[in-house]
Amino acid sequence: EPEVTQTPSHQVTQMGQEVILRCVPISNHLYFYWYRQILGQKVEFLVSFYNNEISEKSEIFDDQFSVERPDGSNFTLKIRSTKLEDSAMYFCASSEAGSGPEKLFFGSGTQLSVL
Amino acid sequence: AQSVTQLGSHVSVSEGALVLLRCNYSSSVPPYLFWYVQYPNQGLQLLLKYTSAATLVKGINGFEAEFKKSETSFHLTKPSAHMSDAAEYFCAVRTSGAGSYQLTFGKGTKLSVIP
Repeated sequence: EPEVTQTPSHQVTQMGQEVILRCVPISNHLYFYWYRQILGQKVEFLVSFYNNEISEKSEIFDDQFSVERPDGSNFTLKIRSTKLEDSAMYFCASSEAGSGPEKLFFGSGTQLSVL
Repeated sequence: AQSVTQLGSHVSVSEGALVLLRCNYSSSVPPYLFWYVQYPNQGLQLLLKYTSAATLVKGINGFEAEFKKSETSFHLTKPSAHMSDAAEYFCAVRTSGAGSYQLTFGKGTKLSVIP
């Protein structure tokens, strides 16, 4: 079964450093998403991406965050200058064209620890 | 704004016993509701969804959920728990509006199954 792949599974960084979280969505999917879950809190929507541009973003997704689809397979989330409160599990997801979140496929997540 | 509340961050049941995981929603419009499951070290997997058709929704692995508008609830049940059901379960609601693909999740309920 096709799956969304995220790398690395765990990333540790120093506060103020830039991090890039990588995702390989399912190959024929056209919608891409990032969600995150701070320990003990809800899974929160960050951003959705379609046709090479952001289609929606939440209040969390401020200027420190950016997303990119640098080639035909990868979808990345960059945090420009990490803060302690960015420590969370980050989930990538993708869905087919014409389907919405009811057919979202999630990756297994990247645990980001900011020290 | 739509939101969901999951009652109980941790539920323990004996193998073979009824599983009941509670979810209440808040929505000003007819909601689209979902249950996701996350097994250890894996991504979020869709269990079932309610999209305004039948109020009793059947999902994978023997789970089902009933949409009750009068109670604003969408509780997840399974008649007989299996050891393999041990996982974290998330209730989610889709935000309304054309082109909106956001899901708002609850905090999750961790299900333990005791042999």
